Amino acid sequence: GENVEQHPSTLSVQEGDSAVIKCTYSDSASNYFPWYKQELGKRPQLIIDIRSNVGEKKDQRIAVTLNKTAKHFSLHITETQPEDSAVYFCAVRNGNQFYFGTGTSLTVIP
Amino acid sequence: EAGVAQSPRYKIIEKRQSVAFWCNPISGHATLYWYQQILGQGPKLLIQFQNNGVVDDSQLPKDRFSAERLKGVDSTLKIQPAKLEDSAVYLCASSFNSYEQYFGPGTRLTVT
Repeated sequence: GENVEQHPSTLSVQEGDSAVIKCTYSDSASNYFPWYKQELGKRPQLIIDIRSNVGEKKDQRIAVTLNKTAKHFSLHITETQPEDSAVYFCAVRNGNQFYFGTGTSLTVIP
Repeated sequence: EAGVAQSPRYKIIEKRQSVAFWCNPISGHATLYWYQQILGQGPKLLIQFQNNGVVDDSQLPKDRFSAERLKGVDSTLKIQPAKLEDSAVYLCASSFNSYEQYFGPGTRLTVT
């Protein structure tokens, strides 16, 4: 199976600063890399994703970069706002299986 | 469009009892997933359906967990008998293309 590691486990940033969360995976056959945001007591919500044939994708303040050679991908949030505070999970699709990271608790300090 | 629906939202049972969860996916989504999310961890995939067929159930503890999606729409996940370590949030998700997943609100199960 796939092994997904996510870092850091907690992250605090000042409002307006950038936040970066990184995930590594082990199987080069993995082909889809989504990021989910989960607010306390709520469902995970897909915020951005990238497929293995693309190196970078951006959607307003969030972006994801993928390095297939190094087997890692990162979530970048710019101009952070208090409402960005949540737990963020990366995931990897390998075959029919989805493997999730352990989550990063992001706190944006006003 | 309406989202993924799940019920009940909360359930408290004693160990060795049985429990069932229900999921109604987004209309038109052929793929349905059940996940277990233990507090402080990421979701763990238990089973994936494509229409009414099982695609992957390699991480489903089949001695106590079962799931079905008889008509290719709604699905139920059952635990019998429950153990203390089954306490978790059970999330259902659906997808139209087996990539982008949309999650339901989850069922929080407490086993005492």
